[in-house]
Amino acid sequence: DGGITQSPKYLFRKEGQNVTLSCEQNLNHDAMYWYRQDPGQGLRLIYYSQIVNDFQKGDIAEGYSVSREKKESFPLTVTSAQKNPTAFYLCASSLGTWRVSNQPQHFGDGTRLSIL
Amino acid sequence: GESVGLHLPTLSVQEGDNSIINCAYSNSASDYFIWYKQESGKGPQFIIDIRSNMDKRQGQRVTVLLNKTVKHLSLQIAATQPGDSAVYFCAEKIFAGGTSYGKLTFGQGTILTVHP
Repeated sequence: DGGITQSPKYLFRKEGQNVTLSCEQNLNHDAMYWYRQDPGQGLRLIYYSQIVNDFQKGDIAEGYSVSREKKESFPLTVTSAQKNPTAFYLCASSLGTWRVSNQPQHFGDGTRLSIL
Repeated sequence: GESVGLHLPTLSVQEGDNSIINCAYSNSASDYFIWYKQESGKGPQFIIDIRSNMDKRQGQRVTVLLNKTVKHLSLQIAATQPGDSAVYFCAEKIFAGGTSYGKLTFGQGTILTVHP
């Protein structure tokens, strides 16, 4: 089945530690996204990538970093600079880049990050 | 700034009833809208989308209505089932003159509870 796989499902971070969340898609989608979901709030965009080796900051990029070395992979690192990292992190992908303006984003099942 | 919002945070219905979930948006430049369903502990699941040049679109047991005059979006679920219980989000995308990367703005969500 084609889809988006996020791992791990649960992750714990110690003070001063960087952690990396994995996101892999086999949908052959060009664009990939990372969102953060907090209780009672809508999804907020952290980073997005329209094409391999390119990515852009979203609305809340501070304390996070990404890479896009392969089309199917878009890992997110939560650095120690992110002082409030406890949240549900969602990865998404969509078929189109800016040339195809209206395509739905499809989501993985998320990683729940907590602080030890 | 402009954002997507929902009229009702919770909705309870009986099994077999029709459900209507509403969403208000404030940006008249939005050209694409999506409804997602999110079950507990999972990522949002795409339900249906609609472009701004349409007023209505139907899927399997679901209908989305778009009223651009009053900037209102609704999701109708026919013959609601217990498996429909979830949080429902609307999302909008603002067309940026052909350079849109597909950034979505999400509402906070409505909790739909279906009683047997």
